[in-house]
Order: sequence, then C-alpha cells, then structure tokens
Amino acid sequence: DGGITQSPKYLFRKEGQNVTLSCEQNLNHDAMYWYRQDPGQGLRLIYYSQIVNDFQKGDIAEGYSVSREKKESFPLTVTSAQKNPTAFYLCASSISSSSGNTIYFGEGSWLTVV
Amino acid sequence: AQSVAQPEDQVNVAEGNPLTVKCTYSVSGNPYLFWYVQYPNRGLQFLLKYITGDNLVKGSYGFEAEFNKSQTSFHLKKPSALVSDSALYFCAVRDSVNRDDKIIFGKGTRLHILP
Repeated sequence: DGGITQSPKYLFRKEGQNVTLSCEQNLNHDAMYWYRQDPGQGLRLIYYSQIVNDFQKGDIAEGYSVSREKKESFPLTVTSAQKNPTAFYLCASSISSSSGNTIYFGEGSWLTVV
Repeated sequence: AQSVAQPEDQVNVAEGNPLTVKCTYSVSGNPYLFWYVQYPNRGLQFLLKYITGDNLVKGSYGFEAEFNKSQTSFHLKKPSALVSDSALYFCAVRDSVNRDDKIIFGKGTRLHILP
C-alpha cells in the first residue's frame, strides 16, 4: 500500500531523554512535514523539508531536530530541551511544496512524558 | 500574512439535515484552500481543495465546499448529514505569493451528528 507510515503509535519519554519518531513515505513525494497537535490549538508546524538534505524550521522548532538523508524518510527527534513534549505528532508529505499541492498525513504518534 | 479562521468550535446537526462548517481566510495573493477530516486518534484525511476554476468544489464522502472571494470564505457543506460524519474538521490555506509555501490550518471544528 502507498502511504505515510509513522512509528511508534505510542511512545513514553522520561524526563531528560531524547526520543525519535519515525516517518516513512513510499509516495515518491519531495516535501515532508512534521506537525504538532494539541487540543484546541489545531496543527502547528515544527519542521519541513522540500528536498533531500535540506530542511527548514517551522513555527515551533525549538527543542526538536530532524534529518532528511533519504527522500522517503524524515525522522523527528524530540530533545530534552522541549519542555512540554506531550502531544500528538503528525507527519505529512506532498509531491512538492508548491502552493496547490495537497498534503497527505500519516496516522500520527502519541508522545507522553512520564 | 496568511491566516485562516474557523469561527465555530463545535457544530451540532441532526442526522439527515444539511450541514455547514464555516471557514474564512486572509491572504495576500490568491488562496489555495483545503478541507481535512480527522477521526479520533487518527491522522488527517484530505476531503477537497480549491485551486482555481469553478467556485463549487466536490470532494470525498459527499462533501462539497463553496469558494466565495468577496466574503473570503470556503464553507464546507453536505446536503444530508450522517452519524458517521461526526469528526473534527480542519480548513487550511496556502497563499500563492507566500515564498515559504507554508500551509496554515485552522483550529478545527468538531461536528456532532445527532441520531
């Protein structure tokens, strides 16, 4: 099946620990995105990548890091610097980042600090 | 700067009645407008989009949306609601003149279809 796969679905992080969320797509899309979703706040952009080996900060990049070494993969690391990481994280992709292109989403990953 | 607003946090509709979920936007250039639906604990699913052309756009699951340039609106509609339409709906916009090509999402509207 073609699509965007996020793993794990549920992840628990201890204080001071870095964790990495995986995002893989087999849609041959150039652009990939990470969003954070908190109740009542909609979606906020963390990082996005328009092409391999390049990425840009979104609106809430502090405490997060990404890499784009392969076209199909865009992992997100939540570092210990992110003070309030408990949220639902959504990975997305589009053919390119041009304005009219549709963004498609993965099924999301829940991160909880314990 | 581009922005999008969904003025209603929640909309309640009886099954079989028509439904409308409101969305207004602000852009500098031409808008590219999108609607998504999210079921509990799931990712967002694309419903429809307006890029150019006919102001009435038809999408998945019987939904449609009407682009109104003068009112800067893109309301989502369905002639007859189903209980299974109950979900969280997001409107999103991209600005044709926005260099960073970001897509901005509204805060979402929770739709309750009452049996």
